[in-house]
Amino acid sequence: TQLLEQSPQFLSIQEGENLTVYCNSSSVFSSLQWYRQEPGEGPVLLVTVVTGGEVKKLKRLTFQFGDARKDSSLHITAAQTGDTGLYLCAGPQGAQKLVFGQGTRLTINP
Amino acid sequence: DSGVTQTPKHLITATGQRVTLRCSPRSGDLSVYWYQQSLDQGLQFLIQYYNGEERAKGNILERFSAQQFPDLHSELNLSSLELGDSALYFCASSLTGKRVGEQYFGPGTRLTVT
Repeated sequence: TQLLEQSPQFLSIQEGENLTVYCNSSSVFSSLQWYRQEPGEGPVLLVTVVTGGEVKKLKRLTFQFGDARKDSSLHITAAQTGDTGLYLCAGPQGAQKLVFGQGTRLTINP
Repeated sequence: DSGVTQTPKHLITATGQRVTLRCSPRSGDLSVYWYQQSLDQGLQFLIQYYNGEERAKGNILERFSAQQFPDLHSELNLSSLELGDSALYFCASSLTGKRVGEQYFGPGTRLTVT
């Protein structure tokens, strides 16, 4: 079973600071996805990375896929209170199933 | 708005009862996935349907079953409910069923078993 471990589990920082959260596995993934989930809502897809070493930017969010395709990171620059949420990474397990990490619960304080 | 709808939003029921959760996928999506999210287990894949046929099973209990209808909406049936079944249940949809791709989640159903 391929597992995805996310760190840290909880992160609380002040608005304007930068942060990085990580998604690691001992297994190779063909791709990884990042989702953000707000309380009481479903996860929302942010990005999919598919190539080892790939970097994708979404405004202040930068996503990187490790060269060996076993890990990924999400860097947020100048965090805003609207970035608060649960960040989940997910990767395909076999052809049909998506496995999720436990998530990083991010709180941005004003 | 992902385009995936789920009803009901909240459901409170007693142990031993049976409930049905409903999901309508995004227009054009053929695959529907069901997930259970609890505080201690995270987001767990239950089952996938593609164009009416079961494609993949995850950690779905025998007390749970699902189906996808010709109009592509799906229902998740939970029976003989236990306190531990209290959780958020999400439905997600995607266009393809051959390989797992990007999934779009509904707003979820919060099930509370008392």
